[in-house]
Amino acid sequence: SQKIEQNSEALNIQEGKTATLTCNYTNYSPAYLQWYRQDPGRGPVFLLLIRENEKEKRKERLKVTFDTTLKQSLFHITASQPADSATYLCASSGGSYIPTFGRGTSLIVHP
Amino acid sequence: SQTIHQWPATLVQPVGSPLSLECTVEGTSNPNLYWYRQAAGRGLQLLFYSVGIGQISSEVPQNLSASRPQDRQFILSSKKLLLSDSGFYLCAWSVPSGGGETQYFGPGTRLLVL
Repeated sequence: SQKIEQNSEALNIQEGKTATLTCNYTNYSPAYLQWYRQDPGRGPVFLLLIRENEKEKRKERLKVTFDTTLKQSLFHITASQPADSATYLCASSGGSYIPTFGRGTSLIVHP
Repeated sequence: SQTIHQWPATLVQPVGSPLSLECTVEGTSNPNLYWYRQAAGRGLQLLFYSVGIGQISSEVPQNLSASRPQDRQFILSSKKLLLSDSGFYLCAWSVPSGGGETQYFGPGTRLLVL
């Protein structure tokens, strides 16, 4: 079965820098990869979806890449702000409607 | 626009007591519905999903059950709670589209079993 691996260690960066989070999948290349943001005590909120045949997707300060050779997706936040501090979840899905979520990586942006 | 409601927001229950968590979705029809549990510091564990009224699929065998009595209502239940049932319970919905569906999560219910 598919496994989604995200760095369990928190990522600490300074305000204004670019944050880069990593998501690795272990088996087959999923048709889709999604990224969600989760704040403490809240439900995850959808941010971006990238398809297998897309190399890059952008939305405002967010950018997601999909590298099928490395079996990896990178999630970038440019010009990071303290308000970007949260846990970011990666999820894969294929032809079914059941996604597989990673455990998430905590991002802490210091002012 | 679509909204999803969950209640209660927090719940403290003794071991062995019953449980009923409710989730309702507004502004959409025939959604896929999901129940997840998130333990502290852990990832999202899919418990149940439903593609229609009365259709429930279980991902993890346990003392929990789910029901979908109406199109936009999803209920999570237990007859006797265990300590290990403590966690953050999230309901989610998606629009059926053959894959890659975005999931929209509710605010969650924090359950503490003592």
